[in-house]
Amino acid sequence: TQLLEQSPQFLSIQEGENLTVYCNSSSVFSSLQWYRQEPGEGPVLLVTVVTGGEVKKLKRLTFQFGDARKDSSLHITAAQPGDTGLYLCAGARDSSYKLIFGSGTRLLVRP
Amino acid sequence: GAVVSQHPSRVICKSGTSVKIECRSLDFQATTMFWYRQFPKQSLMLMATSNEGSKATYEQGVEKDKFLINHASLTLSTLTVTSAHPEDSSFYICSVAKTGGVGETQYFGPGTRLLVL
Repeated sequence: TQLLEQSPQFLSIQEGENLTVYCNSSSVFSSLQWYRQEPGEGPVLLVTVVTGGEVKKLKRLTFQFGDARKDSSLHITAAQPGDTGLYLCAGARDSSYKLIFGSGTRLLVRP
Repeated sequence: GAVVSQHPSRVICKSGTSVKIECRSLDFQATTMFWYRQFPKQSLMLMATSNEGSKATYEQGVEKDKFLINHASLTLSTLTVTSAHPEDSSFYICSVAKTGGVGETQYFGPGTRLLVL
């Protein structure tokens, strides 16, 4: 059973377009992280959200944590080829630091 | 953040041999580290939680006698794949849990690509 569902699984867009990636669950998380991973490398942390309704911005990336802390979204404005990669959401259900990973969204931004 | 290294970055071995992968926390003393494996075009799958000074906790379906984990110090955890077989070929990634920060954040190493012939 996949506790964290990510959508879409794959997205191919033109440079300059906007996009949103969703991470949904029926479970409540104490915190949620978003990572980006490039081929052959480990995931790199983008953001951690902990408060329901929280919105964080990282340049052209906007992250939102759902009010009930069950879901999250990542919005990218004016995507660039450098944004290409695998985006992973991961939620923590307790203070053990053990994370449940989503299935991932593979993003391709074409020049 | 936290800086995590892994060694080796890639390894090729013959079937039946054992391979050791090291994970080092370079700027943070990590009580807890995690080991994952990742198959091509898939997400990360947690194998085990490595706790300094105690036995690792393995996820369901992961053979503890095949994947030996040792976390002897606050900066080093090792994963040994014993009697490796071609189906063990995968991308192995470790992470450290950085306590005291925002939420339950993990920082990942660069990964180790294992190919068993």
